[in-house]
Amino acid sequence: GAGVSQTPSNKVTEKGKYVELRCDPISGHTALYWYRQSLGQGPEFLIYFQGTGAADDSGLPNDRFFAVRPEGSVSTLKIQRTERGDSAVYLCASSLTLDDEQFFGPGTRLTVL
Amino acid sequence: AQKVTQAQTEISVVEKEDVTLDCVYETRDTTYYLFWYKQPPSGELVFLIRRNSFDEQNEISGRYSWNFQKSTSSFNFTITASQVVDSAVYFCAFQGDGGATNKLIFGTGTLLAVQP
Repeated sequence: GAGVSQTPSNKVTEKGKYVELRCDPISGHTALYWYRQSLGQGPEFLIYFQGTGAADDSGLPNDRFFAVRPEGSVSTLKIQRTERGDSAVYLCASSLTLDDEQFFGPGTRLTVL
Repeated sequence: AQKVTQAQTEISVVEKEDVTLDCVYETRDTTYYLFWYKQPPSGELVFLIRRNSFDEQNEISGRYSWNFQKSTSSFNFTITASQVVDSAVYFCAFQGDGGATNKLIFGTGTLLAVQP
């Protein structure tokens, strides 16, 4: 079956702009996670959803970052007033339930000029 | 606080050598999970294994094996007879079972280069 997909694969934007990153989880997976990976580092947790609700958003760095999952499937990570420090690969993962292992998508590489 | 340490930043071996990647974790949780993921040059994280804190049996899957020792808080990963296709960054990760969150806490990764 299809894995986790993320669009776009690459996004280049200018400082101060707004961006949206999309994640399509594996069909039937109820839990969805967002991570951010900077060069040479391991992924860092941002937020996760169980169904439509954000169960833990403690990893979001500030209020410029927001994520939604309105129908319990696709999720969008939204970043307002982007800064150069937001440049990273944004990874999405999903799991069948909260007790199952997480499977990752290919990521979106965000570059803020 | 929970933490995962992968002290080996880079390892280089010649094909067919065995190699062990180290992972040490810190936690006060009694129940937790440990993971290994592989990140090849393409960038996608590939799930390799998940172990429950109550299961200390070593696991073998083909050329891969894992050694979990609670006494030393370690979860090491060995690749036997390495191949060029094993070249990747390998991440160890921790997931607590405190009920508050299911987030994964990753180490900084070990870059494995297998030379032909």
